[in-house]
Amino acid sequence: DIQMTQSPSSLSASVGDTVKITCRASQTVSNYLNWYQQKAGKAPKVLISVGSTLQSGVPSRFSGSGSGTDFTLTISGVQPEDSATYYCQQSLNIPRTFGQGTVVEV
Amino acid sequence: EVQLVESGGGLIQPGGSLRLSCAASGFSLSSHWMHWVRQVPGKGLMWVSRISQDGSTTTYADSVKGRFTISRDNVKNTVSLLMNSLRVEDTAFYYCVREVAANWFDPWGQGTLVSVSS
Repeated sequence: DIQMTQSPSSLSASVGDTVKITCRASQTVSNYLNWYQQKAGKAPKVLISVGSTLQSGVPSRFSGSGSGTDFTLTISGVQPEDSATYYCQQSLNIPRTFGQGTVVEV
Repeated sequence: EVQLVESGGGLIQPGGSLRLSCAASGFSLSSHWMHWVRQVPGKGLMWVSRISQDGSTTTYADSVKGRFTISRDNVKNTVSLLMNSLRVEDTAFYYCVREVAANWFDPWGQGTLVSVSS
């Protein structure tokens, strides 16, 4: 199985800060890397697919980069509504595996 | 609107069985692989199972293999997860998800809670 490791596990940011969350895969996943946002009591929602493609309706302050084994989710100018847990997920292999999550408090 | 709605969760004793259902609307179910993902309350996400567009191929996480069975009815627009020999560690929210472009999961259902306890 491909192991996904996120860092940090949690962070606190002020409104307007730039936040970076990293995700490392235990083996290359090419660009088969997706990012999800989960707000408290809600189901996850896809933010970014295939490493860097912003999903429709997602604010442009979210961006994704990376390929191979190392990926980054960046929130440029974080807003209070961005308080959530963020997960990376590889879609190269079965089982699909997720990072452990990063809690972002704004 | 593309939507997935799960049902069937509840409290069940260890060793019991439960069938979860997922009702799909707003898209052609027969065009997509469908998956189940679970989440222990307050914890991370774990992939459980998937089924191909025509139901001919199914795959399971090692922890549920032999106990869970995924199925689908493309006429009724439903996906099901039959869970047998339930264990305390199966307690979680179970999400039905659509796979898009052999890649990401979108949308996710609202989730249904399965609690396994004596």
